[in-house]
Amino acid sequence: DAGVIQSPRHEVTEMGQEVTLRCKPISGHNSLFWYRQTMMRGLELLIYFNNNVPIDDSGMPEDRFSAKMPNASFSTLKIQPSEPRDSAVYFCASSPTGANTGELFFGEGSRLTVL
Amino acid sequence: SQQGEEDPQALSIQEGENATMNCSYKTSINNLQWYRQNSGRGLVHLILIRSNEREKHSGRLRVTLDTSKKSSSLLITASRAADTASYFCATDWTSGSRLTFGEGTQLTVNP
Repeated sequence: DAGVIQSPRHEVTEMGQEVTLRCKPISGHNSLFWYRQTMMRGLELLIYFNNNVPIDDSGMPEDRFSAKMPNASFSTLKIQPSEPRDSAVYFCASSPTGANTGELFFGEGSRLTVL
Repeated sequence: SQQGEEDPQALSIQEGENATMNCSYKTSINNLQWYRQNSGRGLVHLILIRSNEREKHSGRLRVTLDTSKKSSSLLITASRAADTASYFCATDWTSGSRLTFGEGTQLTVNP
């Protein structure tokens, strides 16, 4: 079975540009999570969806960040405009249960570098 | 601040030795999970222990949970070079709505 699929795996962009990260969760999973990992702050939960509905976006750093889940098999995380401090690895994860009752299945991550 | 804190931050051992990593947390939890992350890869779930459980085994992994001390430990027995990775604990708050990860322990197993 395919796991969580993220694209792109690597992205290098210049400050001010729009960045869109994509995620395809595991089929049948009804919860989807976006995390950001940096050396300074570790793994931070940005937002999670349950049945395509955003449940908690309190981790989204600021209005430059937005996330959507138009259907059960696709989600995007958009940064506009991007800044150098957004450089990080962004992980998408899905779960077959509610947010806090089971294991998360992570994608391989999207490494973003903003110059 | 993050819910879980791992100790030590880094651990270097020889192949065949046992590795023990600890996790402490601050508030009540529903469950605690351990994940492994190989360099440049995503996190992989290892084991979940519920708040009413004290010990759990999975292959060479042994996890303990002491809710009175708000701590957990992950023991990897007979370590292998392939166990080299970062290990994270993640807690599910009973009063919160998010799974929170600790800073991780970087384990190096030398062949």
